[in-house]
Amino acid sequence: EAGVAQSPRYKIIEKRQSVAFWCNPISGHATLYWYQQILGQGPKLLIQFQNNGVVDDSQLPKDRFSAERLKGVDSTLKIQPAKLEDSAVYLCASSLVRRARDTIYFGEGSWLTVV
Amino acid sequence: AQSVAQPEDQVNVAEGNPLTVKCTYSVSGNPYLFWYVQYPNRGLQFLLKYITGDNLVKGSYGFEAEFNKSQTSFHLKKPSALVSDSALYFCAVRANSNYQLIWGAGTKLIIKP
Repeated sequence: EAGVAQSPRYKIIEKRQSVAFWCNPISGHATLYWYQQILGQGPKLLIQFQNNGVVDDSQLPKDRFSAERLKGVDSTLKIQPAKLEDSAVYLCASSLVRRARDTIYFGEGSWLTVV
Repeated sequence: AQSVAQPEDQVNVAEGNPLTVKCTYSVSGNPYLFWYVQYPNRGLQFLLKYITGDNLVKGSYGFEAEFNKSQTSFHLKKPSALVSDSALYFCAVRANSNYQLIWGAGTKLIIKP
């Protein structure tokens, strides 16, 4: 079974530029997550989708971050304009359904450096 | 409020010795507990989880974890450490009444040859 796919793996941009990350979840997984992980810290949930609807975006900095999952499968996370503090790993993850007992499976991450 | 504590920033173990990575939690309601591992420049990999039933849970790569309700702990263990086990380990918890997954700060495990 294929895992969660993410691209690009690495990106370096200048501050105030924009960047977009793509994610393809595990086939059949209805719930998709975007996390931000600062080096050496635990992941922080940015946004959670159930199919193509947003169920939690309370920690998403909406003035610069946006995400969509138009057809309930792939998702894109965009940052515009980027700030230095956005340098982090952006992890996409998915789970079968939205239940407390369900395991969340992560992709390899998209590593962003803002200079 | 829900919380997870990993009291050790780093754990050092000699290869071949048993290892323990500690995790304690605080939730209202029954907990669902998870362990993940992160190797350098990689994403988070699921190791094991406790849902209900047997307090000893077995997972990937020879790891196991013991759920202790009275001590609100879920320590990760392995009988014989390998150098390749060196990585960052995260504990996470959900209450069955709340879907939010709460993460610990992570513990760096270093296995020395």
